[in-house]
Amino acid sequence: EPEVTQTPSHQVTQMGQEVILRCVPISNHLYFYWYRQILGQKVEFLVSFYNNEISEKSEIFDDQFSVERPDGSNFTLKIRSTKLEDSAMYFCASKFGRRDRVSTDTQYFGPGTRLTVL
Amino acid sequence: AQKITQTQPGMFVQEKEAVTLDCTYDTSDQSYGLFWYKQPSSGEMIFLIYQGSYDEQNATEGRYSLNFQKARKSTNLVISASQLGDSAMYFCAMRSSGGSNYKLTFGKGTLLTVNP
Repeated sequence: EPEVTQTPSHQVTQMGQEVILRCVPISNHLYFYWYRQILGQKVEFLVSFYNNEISEKSEIFDDQFSVERPDGSNFTLKIRSTKLEDSAMYFCASKFGRRDRVSTDTQYFGPGTRLTVL
Repeated sequence: AQKITQTQPGMFVQEKEAVTLDCTYDTSDQSYGLFWYKQPSSGEMIFLIYQGSYDEQNATEGRYSLNFQKARKSTNLVISASQLGDSAMYFCAMRSSGGSNYKLTFGKGTLLTVNP
């Protein structure tokens, strides 16, 4: 069964360093998302991406964050200058389409990248 | 703005018994989707079950079913015949219908512990 993959599973970095989190969404999906979950808290939306552009971003997604879909398969989240408060689990998710059916409406999540900023 | 409320921080259930996890939502959208995800201690988010706002019947998926009450804006998850492997955090989420983003808004989650 197709699944969303993410690399790396864990990333440790120093404050101020750049990190790139990578995701390979399910191949025929059209909508892509990044979410984050600070330890012990709920999952928060960061950004959505459709038709090769950002369709919505949250207040968390400031100028330090960027997303790319460079080659039609990978979907990356870049944090330019990491802060201590960026430490969290980052989830990539994808879905096929917009219709109100479980097959097209469901977002499937990757296993996450745990980012630790020291 | 959309809001998901899960009022049970933790729940306990005996193995083989049924348990209900509560979720209420608030939205002004006419079309929306409701989801439940399971997050075991390993951290991944596993999709369990979906209810569309226009679905007239409650969704079922194996041992999972939803008690969807649209007028009360609630979509409670029922797990029947609980197993030890059901011990996990459970998140209720809602999909917005605006624009082209369809982002999910999550509740704070309920930690379910299944006792042998």
